[in-house]
Amino acid sequence: EVQLVESGGALVQPGGSLRLSCAASGFTFSTYGLNWVRQAPGKGLEWLTYISGGSSTIFYADSVKGRFTISRNNADKSLSLQMNSLRDEDTAVYYCASEYNYGSGFNYWGQGTQVTVSS
Amino acid sequence: QTVVTQEPSLSVSPGGTVTFTCGLSSDSVSTRHYPSWYQQTPGQAPRTLVYSTNTRSSGVPDRFSGSIFGNKAALTIRGAQADDESVYYCVLYMGSGIRVFGGGTRLTVL
Repeated sequence: EVQLVESGGALVQPGGSLRLSCAASGFTFSTYGLNWVRQAPGKGLEWLTYISGGSSTIFYADSVKGRFTISRNNADKSLSLQMNSLRDEDTAVYYCASEYNYGSGFNYWGQGTQVTVSS
Repeated sequence: QTVVTQEPSLSVSPGGTVTFTCGLSSDSVSTRHYPSWYQQTPGQAPRTLVYSTNTRSSGVPDRFSGSIFGNKAALTIRGAQADDESVYYCVLYMGSGIRVFGGGTRLTVL
């Protein structure tokens, strides 16, 4: 069974940092691209960032470029999102989602982890 | 800035047919954007319905279908059921490598 399990969500002050993780199982991790997607309270889904299976290709949405960093460890089957300079508007549920090929969409999703940025 | 447009809300009668669309503010949507569609119910993670324009994800019934309709991507549900009541999102792949979600369409089955 495919599983993606996010962790690391917390309450953090504006300007602070947080590192999210996503643990994967049940599929050939290194052959899949991975994404982070978030959803602010009462809002729609927002794509944030993508990393290829071998980490050679990375893309960011403008809203997080320069503040967030995606990385992965294929040996551990884990994905990370380092979030710096957090703002109130970064408050959201953060999902990791896998992507088999370019254009194949987000085929597997985790259940999400809550990040709250507030003083 | 790329804006992906979706209807804010749609309604359908049980057993009826409904079509969602996914457009671009400054371009036509084509297969090169690899449109995909997702269903989300409150408090749940999204569920993938269709990817690469018209390929159904594993386990998705064939009453869900994707297409290009005019200059937009489209998702059609035939034989709507009460548990289809959800928010539906599209995603487009842009040439720069970024993926962009539409704002979502809330479907009411009544």
